[in-house]
Amino acid sequence: SQQGEEDPQALSIQEGENATMNCSYKTSINNLQWYRQNSGRGLVHLILIRSNEREKHSGRLRVTLDTSKKSSSLLITASRAADTASYFCATDTNLTNNFNKFYFGSGTKLNVKP
Amino acid sequence: DADVTQTPRNRITKTGKRIMLECSQTKGHDRMYWYRQDPGLGLRLIYYSFDVKDINKGEISDGYSVSRQAQAKFSLSLESAIPNQTALYFCATSDPQDLNQPQHFGDGTRLSIL
Repeated sequence: SQQGEEDPQALSIQEGENATMNCSYKTSINNLQWYRQNSGRGLVHLILIRSNEREKHSGRLRVTLDTSKKSSSLLITASRAADTASYFCATDTNLTNNFNKFYFGSGTKLNVKP
Repeated sequence: DADVTQTPRNRITKTGKRIMLECSQTKGHDRMYWYRQDPGLGLRLIYYSFDVKDINKGEISDGYSVSRQAQAKFSLSLESAIPNQTALYFCATSDPQDLNQPQHFGDGTRLSIL
């Protein structure tokens, strides 16, 4: 399976601290995305990093990609209680007709304490 | 109003029953997906559709069927529900023209098979 695996499974930090989550995958990818899921809600797309990129920023989010190690990390700086959610990485492989089929990991549950 | 709407939000039913989960979207996207989410396993793809004439099996299609009634509607059926189909089900859409390739998720249907 190409499924991404996040690490740690759960993370608890204080507001203001940085949160780092890691994702490892098994086979070559086209892109890697990170999603956020609040309790009882659907997933929300955060950021995409392409296989030829090493780092990307979006607001308080910083994503890195190391294709040689088949791993990615998501850093949330200056965390807030509202960042409490589960975070998933999704890797894709191009099958046919320009369709990128996504494989989701099992997620990291982040708890930010006020 | 939500861009991707799933109904019902919750359903409890008995083994052997036929169940239909509905998804409708106002985003105008051609591509639609059905996933199931189980604790510790992340999201797994059940079926996906490029347009109303194109339906494809995902990783775990056995025991499920789908119907793409219109560009905006994609329904998932369990012909004879069994307890191990108890899960959280998500519908998603995407636009291949969006360079960031996000998938847009509904808020899910929590299905319990007794």
